Amino acid sequence: QQQVKQSPQSLIVQKGGISIINCAYENTAFDYFPWYQQFPGKGPALLIAIRPDVSEKKEGRFTISFNKSAKQFSLHIMDSQPGDSATYFCAASKGSDNKLTFGGGTRVLVKP
Amino acid sequence: EPEVTQTPSHQVTQMGQEVILRCVPISNHLYFYWYRQILGQKVEFLVSFYNNEISEKSEIFDDQFSVERPDGSNFTLKIRSTKLEDSAMYFCASKIGSRNTEAFFGQGTRLTVV
Repeated sequence: QQQVKQSPQSLIVQKGGISIINCAYENTAFDYFPWYQQFPGKGPALLIAIRPDVSEKKEGRFTISFNKSAKQFSLHIMDSQPGDSATYFCAASKGSDNKLTFGGGTRVLVKP
Repeated sequence: EPEVTQTPSHQVTQMGQEVILRCVPISNHLYFYWYRQILGQKVEFLVSFYNNEISEKSEIFDDQFSVERPDGSNFTLKIRSTKLEDSAMYFCASKIGSRNTEAFFGQGTRLTVV
């Protein structure tokens, strides 16, 4: 019940295209859903996060869509750039215990 | 910009040896974590630490693991008798507050057990 399932495992998109990564969770106690971006040899860095009281959050080219009833959330990267090539992790946590439960990661490659 | 700093960046150790991974969290943060990432797999929670004690640990964090905050700045992870399967990237993270605040990750220590 603690799992967060992420798909796809990898994604190739042309420059200017849209990258879409999906996550699903089981634990309805989760109340914070961040997305992390990780470049090779670096630690995960927070990209954008959402709470379940909103259905969408946009920051620049990055948008999280959240569907509470379906227990799913997704990351959309608009106008993908080669610099966006990285591994993206969705995660979830519940306020009572702080720890992050990560999805399996999606390796995104943006081709110029 | 403040950052979480981890040392060393890479550690190679013989099976059965003890290793200590070091972290300097962001100075005004109160919550500290260790996560690990086995090559090609997802990031997994190991332990959380607050107010000088462990607040939660995963089933991975067994008796061979321990954490310590020996002074006001360092946060360490000790693995007492390393096994081959401990080979992974270990990430330290810190947060300023408890609920729904951003966790800042260090760049990681790659531990290789041979």
